[in-house]
Amino acid sequence: AAGVIQSPRHLIKEKRETATLKCYPIPRHDTVYWYQQGPGQDPQFLISFYEKMQSDKGSIPDRFSAQQFSDYHSELNMSSLELGDSALYFCASSSRDRGEKLFFGSGTQLSVL
Amino acid sequence: GENVEQHPSTLSVQEGDSAVIKCTYSDSASNYFPWYKQELGKRPQLIIDIRSNVGEKKDQRIAVTLNKTAKHFSLHITETQPEDSAVYFCASISNGGADGLTFGKGTHLIIQP
Repeated sequence: AAGVIQSPRHLIKEKRETATLKCYPIPRHDTVYWYQQGPGQDPQFLISFYEKMQSDKGSIPDRFSAQQFSDYHSELNMSSLELGDSALYFCASSSRDRGEKLFFGSGTQLSVL
Repeated sequence: GENVEQHPSTLSVQEGDSAVIKCTYSDSASNYFPWYKQELGKRPQLIIDIRSNVGEKKDQRIAVTLNKTAKHFSLHITETQPEDSAVYFCASISNGGADGLTFGKGTHLIIQP
């Protein structure tokens, strides 16, 4: 079965650089979520999209933005990177109209040096 | 917003014994409670979930119970095996799923051979 696809798997950036993370949800899933997980931490909700419209925002810094495109893939754009942005970034998708089961992608490990 | 408390943070059990992880939530409107298993550096994987109109659900060695009045739910793993070693997160969802899951802090389950 198709799963949530994230790219890249690993990303190394310098401070103050920008990064773009991509997410391809499970086909026919209408909702995409972005989470940030620091080492030894629980996943923290950043932002979500329902049917390509921003649905809600969590603890997402102003330096970050995200969007969902017409093909339902989503991108998380991160600017002015800081050392504290180093984390695992997960994308998850669900079909809200068929229940709330969230399925996660493999994540992008971002390291800011 | 929703707050999910999870205990214990670390649980060590002998192989073959049972393990129980407990969570409480604060938002009485929460209606969906999944459990995720996460191995180091990997994605959270949905292992079992329960909805608020059900008190108990079982899937082979794993069961989840929900007490909606007390706002707590528990994960039970019987006949534990070494491959059960991982971090387990409880979560809840409310607000119609718009802001995704609120996670507990996680329980590091260690199965001693």
